[in-house]
Amino acid sequence: DAGVIQSPRHEVTEMGQEVTLRCKPISGHDYLFWYRQTMMRGLELLIYFNNNVPIDDSGMPEDRFSAKMPNASFSTLKIQPSEPRDSAVYFCASSYGTYRGEQFFGPGTRLTVL
Amino acid sequence: KNQVEQSPQSLIILEGKNCTLQCNYTVSPFSNLRWYKQDTGRGPVSLTIMTFSENTKSNGRYTATLDADTKQSSLHITASQLSDSASYICVVSLNTNAGKSTFGDGTTLTVKP
Repeated sequence: DAGVIQSPRHEVTEMGQEVTLRCKPISGHDYLFWYRQTMMRGLELLIYFNNNVPIDDSGMPEDRFSAKMPNASFSTLKIQPSEPRDSAVYFCASSYGTYRGEQFFGPGTRLTVL
Repeated sequence: KNQVEQSPQSLIILEGKNCTLQCNYTVSPFSNLRWYKQDTGRGPVSLTIMTFSENTKSNGRYTATLDADTKQSSLHITASQLSDSASYICVVSLNTNAGKSTFGDGTTLTVKP
């Protein structure tokens, strides 16, 4: 398996633009997580899905952020409109179960909002 | 408030030396504790996962210990290598919401030749 795939790897956009980040989890995994990492706040869980259903989105910073998982092999994280404070590295991770399940992280998308 | 505190914030050691990283947590009720290694510019990679009933878990030169009574964990690295230079992150999960975790700020380890 190729592991968790994220695209794009780098994104530079201007304030106010819509940004869509994409993730393909490892085949067979039933949990998918979206994280954000900044120097100031470290790694933060934004939202996670189980069997394509959002379970906990309490980490989503505000209504400008939305995430979807239309099927088991694809998820998106959308920011509309984007702001400079959204600049961060966004990671997607997947796992099979969560109690003892190991989370496998993708390479991340580095987002810069000018 | 559930918290995970790691120490030291950064550490520099010489190649071949051992080191120990600390993680103290107040997360309750506790489900499991994970140590991740994150190389610069890459996603975290899991090193060990321990439940409350496990005291120690090894992965090659990495050994994690857990004391659930004192809510402390440590990650011991033996015979360090240059490739061990990375950030090491401690993550603790709740028993009631196993999908949600509290992350420490990490320890940045630099191994010098």
